[in-house]
Amino acid sequence: RKEVEQDPGPFNVPEGATVAFNCTYSNSASQSFFWYRQDCRKEPKLLMSVYSSGNEDGRFTAQLNRASQYISLLIRDSKLSDSATYLCVVRAGGYQKVTFGIGTKLQVIP
Amino acid sequence: DTAVSQTPKYLVTQMGNDKSIKCEQNLGHDTMYWYKQDSKKFLKIMFSYNNKELIINETVPNRFSPKSPDKAHLNLHINSLELGDSAVYFCASSQYPRPPGQGGTGELFFGEGSRLTVL
Repeated sequence: RKEVEQDPGPFNVPEGATVAFNCTYSNSASQSFFWYRQDCRKEPKLLMSVYSSGNEDGRFTAQLNRASQYISLLIRDSKLSDSATYLCVVRAGGYQKVTFGIGTKLQVIP
Repeated sequence: DTAVSQTPKYLVTQMGNDKSIKCEQNLGHDTMYWYKQDSKKFLKIMFSYNNKELIINETVPNRFSPKSPDKAHLNLHINSLELGDSAVYFCASSQYPRPPGQGGTGELFFGEGSRLTVL
């Protein structure tokens, strides 16, 4: 089983749609969770950290389910500028390694 | 005023050559990383250093040798380059994660990447 699993997509959605990405992780000792965004030929950039209670940042909502070892990202009212690859990221804790999922590609269509 | 900077951005070289990539961060972080992103776009950790000490060394060929002269710098030297080494190499840095409400969660900040092409 991969350490961090994501559906690579692509997800093609119309502008204004709501889209959800899921991610599962295998290490039950994982402590920190993130969603990163990577545009084509650019470096990954932090979109949001994921907290146990769930958190929201504008149109983006992240959820964590530790029991199921599952993280989700919901994007509401999709914009063309949301087109990118979304990377699920898990840190085992402290100086343990930070592992990236393969990424889910999102294409928002006019 | 780039937070994590790496040079060169592009590198084209022949098989068998030796090359280096340099990375510097001005964020005051104590941990630095090298990641490799291959043609399938998968980001795979190679090395991690904390305060100049190697803490993570994934199964990377020993042709790859990282060096950290101080906690703000992490360089990557590659000997005897092979075709399969062609990839984008990303440097990143982070601070040690703090408990909730006491600071950062240890998120990574990336450099712009160094695209290596081996011919």
